[in-house]
Formats: sequence, structure tokens, C-alpha cells
Amino acid sequence: DAKTTQPNSMESNEEEPVHLPCNHSTISGTDYIHWYRQLPSQGPEYVIHGLTSNVNNRMASLAIAEDRKSSTLILHRATLRDAAVYYCILTNFGNEKLTFGTGTRLTIIP
Amino acid sequence: DTGVSQDPRHKITKRGQNVTFRCDPISEHNRLYWYRQTLGQGPEFLTYFQNEAQLEKSRLLSDRFSAERPKGSFSTLEIQRTEQGDSAMYLCASSQGTAPYGEQFFGPGTRLTVL
Repeated sequence: DAKTTQPNSMESNEEEPVHLPCNHSTISGTDYIHWYRQLPSQGPEYVIHGLTSNVNNRMASLAIAEDRKSSTLILHRATLRDAAVYYCILTNFGNEKLTFGTGTRLTIIP
Repeated sequence: DTGVSQDPRHKITKRGQNVTFRCDPISEHNRLYWYRQTLGQGPEFLTYFQNEAQLEKSRLLSDRFSAERPKGSFSTLEIQRTEQGDSAMYLCASSQGTAPYGEQFFGPGTRLTVL
């Protein structure tokens, strides 16, 4: 399975944008990039996913590099409720399981 | 809001005892997954069902672990002869779509402590 690399932790000020990076240099042409986050004492929750083009939804934006070897999850205006561990995961056809790494722990500073 | 529910939320047991956890997925979801999460780590895949068929099992799922999903609805995960290394959060998730599109919806987890 292709692997992802994320910083262990990041901090951001409340109400400012947050850019969470993910490297996936061995990504295959059919791997999708998924992001999940896990708030304290909760199960993970889906954030966003994409293949090649940048994606936007109500929670976040996903910017994918042209060579697809890296991506960035963008939270446009961080709130205290966005404090969580963010996981970047690659998925593919026929592979139903999510392979989580250790993720990035995001701390929001009031 | 009928999300994924898990029961119990917490379980404390003594080494050597058997424990069973239950997961109720979102009603129309045909895929159900079990994961295990230890402190400071991301969740690790254990097994997955499509309807009542168990289609994949991780090597982490030793012969002391068994999972069922009778009638393709709720699922149970049983651990026999628990060991202290089994202490973890056990997470259940369900999905309607297929990989790589299907979003997995996770329950709150069952925290197991083996004394």
C-alpha cells in the first residue's frame, strides 16, 4: 500500500486559515486521497476526498499537487472545534480498509 | 440522528475473561468494519463485512478474536481469553458505497481495559 507522511503536530490561531500537508510520493494513478479527522474521545469522521482536481465542501478544501505526490487540507477559518487529529489516507478500488497513520494533531489557539 | 452506535462504551475485564462488543450500523449501509486503536496511534483495520459475509480479516485478528454479522445488520466482536495487550478502543464503522468512494461513518467506540 502506498504510504502517507504528515507532520506530527501543528498549531494555528483561531479564525485563521490552516494548511495541513500530506506527502504521498508513491501514490499510484488510481489512488484516491481521503482525509478523516478524529476529535477528542470520538471516532474518526470523514472530511473530504479527491483524485486529481482540487475539491471543496462545507468543511474544507483539498488542494492536490499536479504530480499528485502531495496534497494539502485547507480549513479556511479554524475554530476551536477543529482541534483534532487529521489523517491523510490513500484508498483504491478493491481495498475496503482505511490505513491510518499517526496523523497530524492540530491545536487551535484562542 | 441514527448514526453508528456501539455498546458498551466502556468495558473493564480481568485477564482471561471473554468479552463481546456490539455495533449497530446505519440502517441502509451494507458494509461494516471493525478497527482497533491504541493510545497515540491511528486506528488499525481488523475486519470487514459486506452484508453478512466477512470478506477480509487482518492478521491482527488472532484466533482469539471472532466477528459476526448475522442477517447483515448488527455485528458483534468477541475476544476470548483476553490479554492485557487487548486493551484498546474498538471502533466500528459502516459504509454504503464501495472503495475508494465510500465514506466510512464511525461509531464512538468501545474502550476495553484488561486488568
